[in-house]
Amino acid sequence: EDQVTQSPEALRLQEGESSSLNCSYTVSGLRGLFWYRQDPGKGPEFLFTLYSAGEEKEKERLKATLTKKESFLHITAPKPEDSATYLCAVQAYSLSGSARQLTFGSGTQLTVLP
Amino acid sequence: SAVISQKPSRDICQRGTSLTIQCQVDSQVTMMFWYRQQPGQSLTLIATANQGSEATYESGFVIDKFPISRPNLTFSTLTVSNMSPEDSSIYLCSAEGLAAKETQYFGPGTRLLVL
Repeated sequence: EDQVTQSPEALRLQEGESSSLNCSYTVSGLRGLFWYRQDPGKGPEFLFTLYSAGEEKEKERLKATLTKKESFLHITAPKPEDSATYLCAVQAYSLSGSARQLTFGSGTQLTVLP
Repeated sequence: SAVISQKPSRDICQRGTSLTIQCQVDSQVTMMFWYRQQPGQSLTLIATANQGSEATYESGFVIDKFPISRPNLTFSTLTVSNMSPEDSSIYLCSAEGLAAKETQYFGPGTRLLVL
């Protein structure tokens, strides 16, 4: 069974204080690891997909990295508008090749204080 | 990227009634999914909505409680039947496209409160 564990559960940062969020996973065959941002009362907003160990992707103050066992979401010089819950999810290859459901972690609630 | 809309955005329902949630995608997609997000929790997959055939349900979810339709490649519905307060959640629709490395996009969610 695929499993995703995110840490920490909650993180409070001062504006400009860089940090990292962790996503550890076990999956039978990784098709992709996804990072989403979710604001209160809204659906998840896609950030990144990583497909293989060593891959990195960046978007503004966010950088996602991937190893064979975990992924990190690095936040550089965060701003208050970066406050949200960050969700990690894995997508596994299925025997039929058709099932593409995501298994989500419980998320990290990030608060950036001005 | 796919743009996904859901109706209604929120509803308050009485115990024992049913609610049908609609999901519309602005382009043809291969895969559509329905998730549930209970208060303070992460997302749990309810089922995969298959076009032209019965939905594929995850463990703990059954067709009688959550009937799903997918009449074409851009539209799906989820019905929450015989509701109880435990069904109070956010229900989210997602969709994935045709390419091998398409990502999965989410709708804004339907916030359901059952009294």
